[in-house]
Parts: sequence; structure tokens; C-alpha cells
Amino acid sequence: GENVEQHPSTLSVQEGDSAVIKCTYSDSASNYFPWYKQELGKGPQLIIDIRSNVGEKKDQRIAVTLNKTAKHFSLHITETQPEDSAVYFCAASNSNYQLIWGAGTKLIIKP
Amino acid sequence: DGGITQSPKYLFRKEGQNVTLSCEQNLNHDAMYWYRQDPGQGLRLIYYSQIVNDFQKGDIAEGYSVSREKKESFPLTVTSAQKNPTAFYLCASSPRTSGSYEQYFGPGTRLTVT
Repeated sequence: GENVEQHPSTLSVQEGDSAVIKCTYSDSASNYFPWYKQELGKGPQLIIDIRSNVGEKKDQRIAVTLNKTAKHFSLHITETQPEDSAVYFCAASNSNYQLIWGAGTKLIIKP
Repeated sequence: DGGITQSPKYLFRKEGQNVTLSCEQNLNHDAMYWYRQDPGQGLRLIYYSQIVNDFQKGDIAEGYSVSREKKESFPLTVTSAQKNPTAFYLCASSPRTSGSYEQYFGPGTRLTVT
């Protein structure tokens, strides 16, 4: 069935360093790939997304890359700051307007 | 002020009681979703609705029921048949126009059943 795998489950980086989170999807029909940030006790917030006709998208310190051939996409956060600490989720669309979710990555920024 | 509201933020119930969680949106979105999140886990789809008066089961619908009588509202009832109802419940909505898959989430309701 449809599946999205996300790695790593926990990522600890030094403040100022870069963080990379990777996801792999199974449905060849997927054409929309969002990333969400969830802070403790809150709902997830969309931080960046990419569609299948684009290979890379950047928004200030965050960027997403997509490799459709390999069916994987990644979130890159540069110059990490304490406020980047959160749980990050990737997702991939299916043909029913649903999102298939990864299991999440807990990002810890060490001062 | 547009957005999705969920109420209450915290809810406590005794085992055996049904409880209804509220979700309202004023974004004029067609589609609405209910997810369950357990500690340290991802999002699991309970029910979704793509249009008023229509809804479909998600991956973990057993023990839950929904209604979609108005475009703005998608309440979720957690019945006594749900074996482990204690969880964080998230409601989301989506425009569902052509090519629009993005979902916008409410703040969530934390349900504790003892």
C-alpha cells in the first residue's frame, strides 16, 4: 500500500549547523510533498512544500529537494536556531486528495 | 480572522461515556479531516470529508463517528466502543481545488479518558 518512510526519528545538531531530514514514498502518482513543523502541544504547521514538476524549492533558511526517479525528498535547514527545535513531518499526496504521513523527526538544537 | 478552531483544548471523560470534539473552519475549505496522534507518534487518519453530507473512513475509524451537515463544521464523536481513546486529536481542512492538497491544522484537543 501507500507508504512514506522518514529518517532519522531523532536528530540532534549544534546550533548554527545544518539539519537534513529524508523521506521516501511508494506511490508513483504522488505529486505534492509538504513538510510540517509541530511544536509541543500544538497542531502541525505547513513550512514548505514542493510539487512534482519542481526539483528544489527554497524559503530563507529552509529548502526542500525532490528526486522523483528515486522517490525521495528531503528537508534542509541551514544555520539552525533554538526555535527550530520541534517535530517535523513529511507527507506525500495520493489520488484521493489525502496526505500519507511520515512518522516524524524530533529535531533537537543544542546550544 | 480566518482559521480552524478546535474546542475544548483539554477534555476529560470517564470510561464508557461518549464525547464529541468540535472542529470549525472559516476558510471556506471543502475538505476536512480528523487525525489521532499518540505520544511520540505520527498522524493517523480517522475520518475525512470532501464535501458536505459525505464522509469516508480513514485508517482507524473503529469506535469513532462524524457528521458533516455544514461546510464549516466537522464534529468527531469518540464512542465508548473506542478501546484506547486517550490521545491528541487534530482537525484539518483543505481547499481541495484542483491540485491543492495542503492541509491546515487546528490547535488540537487532548482527550483523557479514565
